[in-house]
Amino acid sequence: AQKVTQAQTEISVVEKEDVTLDCVYETRDTTYYLFWYKQPPSGELVFLIRRNSFDEQNEISGRYSWNFQKSTSSFNFTITASQVVDSAVYFCALSERQGAQKLVFGQGTRLTINP
Amino acid sequence: EAGVVQSPRYKIIEKKQPVAFWCNPISGHNTLYWYRQNLGQGPELLIRYENEEAVDDSQLPKDRFSAERLKGVDSTLKIQPAELGDSAVYLCASSQTRLGYEQYFGPGTRLTVT
Repeated sequence: AQKVTQAQTEISVVEKEDVTLDCVYETRDTTYYLFWYKQPPSGELVFLIRRNSFDEQNEISGRYSWNFQKSTSSFNFTITASQVVDSAVYFCALSERQGAQKLVFGQGTRLTINP
Repeated sequence: EAGVVQSPRYKIIEKKQPVAFWCNPISGHNTLYWYRQNLGQGPELLIRYENEEAVDDSQLPKDRFSAERLKGVDSTLKIQPAELGDSAVYLCASSQTRLGYEQYFGPGTRLTVT
């Protein structure tokens, strides 16, 4: 069965600090996809990134970067030089080939960036 | 390009009353999903459609929940009768019909059952 764990329930940092959100997943499938979504106070889930299980290259997009490590079943998300607008709940999610597009979400991490 | 549209945004009803939510997916997205998000939790899938066919409804409480997507475009999710425990945000999402493609979410309907 697929499972996603986000152990950090809440994180609070001061603006301009770097912050890393942890995500650990469980799956028996060899083909799977990992996602990060952002949910700002408005409530709409915003897609940030997708990685497949065969691509362990880390990715950087502006101040955002993602570290995918199959050896530890982790897909961590780092925000560099955080800004107040980054405040939101962030969800990590997993879909398996056998699960056919069903997204299983973690519990989410509430990130607060203080000015 | 328009995103996923949902209505209403908020709904307050008394228990035992019926309620319906509507969703219009992104144009060209044949796969449509309904999720429920309880407070402080991640979304959980209720039902997935491929065109007009419900291909995964294993998590849908069928005694009181129903859904339809008659023409393979927009969809309606209904609860009858509503219970206090149904209070949650109901999210609709859509994606291309290929494994691993990202899902795009609507703003959700926040349901409060009193």
